[in-house]
Amino acid sequence: GDSVTQTEGLVTLTKGLPVMLNCTYQTTYSPFLFWYVQHLNEAPKLLLKSSTDNKRTEHQGFYATLHKSSSSFHLQKSSVQLSDSALYFCALSDGSGYNKLTFGKGTVLLVSP
Amino acid sequence: GGIITQTPKFLIGQEGQKLTLKCQQNFNHDTMYWYRQDSGKGLRLIYYSITENDLQKGDLSEGYDASREKKSSFSLTVTSAQKNEMAVFLCASSLGGYAEQFFGPGTRLTVL
Repeated sequence: GDSVTQTEGLVTLTKGLPVMLNCTYQTTYSPFLFWYVQHLNEAPKLLLKSSTDNKRTEHQGFYATLHKSSSSFHLQKSSVQLSDSALYFCALSDGSGYNKLTFGKGTVLLVSP
Repeated sequence: GGIITQTPKFLIGQEGQKLTLKCQQNFNHDTMYWYRQDSGKGLRLIYYSITENDLQKGDLSEGYDASREKKSSFSLTVTSAQKNEMAVFLCASSLGGYAEQFFGPGTRLTVL
């Protein structure tokens, strides 16, 4: 079946530094990947999504590029802010047309002053 | 815009008890989902529904029932609460396809 792997459980950084959160996936379908962000005591919200190979997609200063050759969709930001502290999930759609998502375990990003 | 409401926000039950969680959305979305969020395990799909009166099992459906009597509402029943299923339960809705899923604020379940 489908699977999503996020290798880091916790990433701690100082404000202003760049970040990359890893996401790799396995699927037999044509991949459609998502990044969701969940701030403390809030609902998860969509950050960005893509199904286009080798095309960078951006939103709110975050960006990611789907690389089908390496089955990856890493999330990056050039300069993290305190407000970026949150739980980040990578998710893969199953291709059924009903958007059943398989989520990774999530990465907590903690940004310090 | 729209909103998803989940009731109750906190649910406390006894082991073995049958418990019901409710979700309402006013997006007019066809597809609704129930997820369980455990610390360190991400979100896992329990049930989803692609239209009124439709129910589809997810990966974690054992021990749960669901009901979609109206397009706007989707209920989840824990058939016999166990201590190892204390978690946050999230409801979501979507237009389907590859559209964004919108999430509710969650119900935190505690089993005594």
